Parts: sequence; C-alpha cells; structure tokens
Amino acid sequence: DGGITQSPKYLFRKEGQNVTLSCEQNLNHDAMYWYRQDPGQGLRLIYYSQIVNDFQKGDIAEGYSVSREKKESFPLTVTSAQKNPTAFYLCASSIGRGGSTDTQYFGPGTRLTVL
Amino acid sequence: GDSVTQMEGPVTLSEEAFLTINCTYTATGYPSLFWYVQYPGEGLQLLLKATKADDKGSNKGFEATYRKETTSFHLEKGSVQVSDSAVYFCALIPSGGSNYKLTFGKGTLLTVNP
Repeated sequence: DGGITQSPKYLFRKEGQNVTLSCEQNLNHDAMYWYRQDPGQGLRLIYYSQIVNDFQKGDIAEGYSVSREKKESFPLTVTSAQKNPTAFYLCASSIGRGGSTDTQYFGPGTRLTVL
Repeated sequence: GDSVTQMEGPVTLSEEAFLTINCTYTATGYPSLFWYVQYPGEGLQLLLKATKADDKGSNKGFEATYRKETTSFHLEKGSVQVSDSAVYFCALIPSGGSNYKLTFGKGTLLTVNP
C-alpha cells in the first residue's frame, strides 16, 4: 500500500533534549511538509521541501530543523530552542507541481509531549 | 494574506440530521479549496476538493460548492452518521505554480449522537 508513515506515534522528551520525528513516503512524491497542530487550532507550516537536498522555512520554523537527503524521507528535529514543543506533528507530501492543483496527503501524526 | 474562516464548533447533531459547516476564505485569484477530516488521534484525510469556481466536490455523501461570488466553500451532508464524528478543516492553496502553502481554518468539531 502506498502512503505516508510517521514514527513514533507518541514521543516523550525531557526539557533541553533534541528529538527527531520520522516521516517516510512511498508515493513517489517530490514535495514533503511538516505541520504543527495545537488544540483548537488549525495546522501551521513548519518546513517544506520541494526536492531532495532543498527545503524552505514555513511560518513557525524557529526551534526546528529538517533534512531531505532522500526523496522518501523528511525527518524533523525539534531542538531545545523550541520554547513550547508539546503538540501534534503532521507530515504531508504532494506530487510537487505546486499551486492550486497540488493536493497534499497526510500521515497519521506524532504526538510529542515534553515532560 | 490568505485566510480561512470556519464556523466555530462544537457542532452536535442527532443521527440522520442535515449538516452544514460554513467556510469562507480570503485570497487573491482563484485558489483551490479543500475539506479535510481528522478522526480522533489520527492524521488528516482529504475529504473533497474543488479547483475552480462553481466546481462541486463530493465524497462519502459530503458536498461543497466553490462559490467565488461569496468566497465560500460550505460543507454539507444530507444525513449524518455517528461515524462522521470528527474534526473538519477547510483549507486553501493559492493559485500560482510556485505556491505550496496550505492555509487552514481552525477546524470544526462535529459530534453525532445516535
């Protein structure tokens, strides 16, 4: 089955630690995205990547970092600089044409809790 | 900038009731419009979309029509089921070949009681 997988489903982190969230897709999509979801809020874009070895900041990139070494993978690192990291993190991918016809498909999400 | 406004929830209905969730948007040009659904503890699933004015998106009994004149994309279903209980997000992506950013509304929680 084609799709997007995220792991782990639940993640706990102590304050001051970096943690990396995994996102893998086998849809052969060029573009991948990371969003953050907080209770009662819509999704906010953290980073996106249109092609391997290239990525751009979204609206709330501070305290996060990403890499895109392979087409299938787009890991997100939540660093200790992120002041309020407890949230639900969603990865998405799209064919990558951009613009109004480029539908994004989402993974199941990772819930990060900082203790 | 671009924005999406959804009716605030929560919305509580009885099974077989008619559903409307209002969505209006602000964007230049002709954005594409989407409805996503999120079941408890899960990621978002694309429910339906429309890419140009007067298009009607439909899926699983849900419908929404792209109304350019009122900048709206209201979600409707004639008879809801308990399994439709979820959070519904309206979203847009602007027109233009290089734009990748989805802009979301805040979501509307729907609870359907038997």
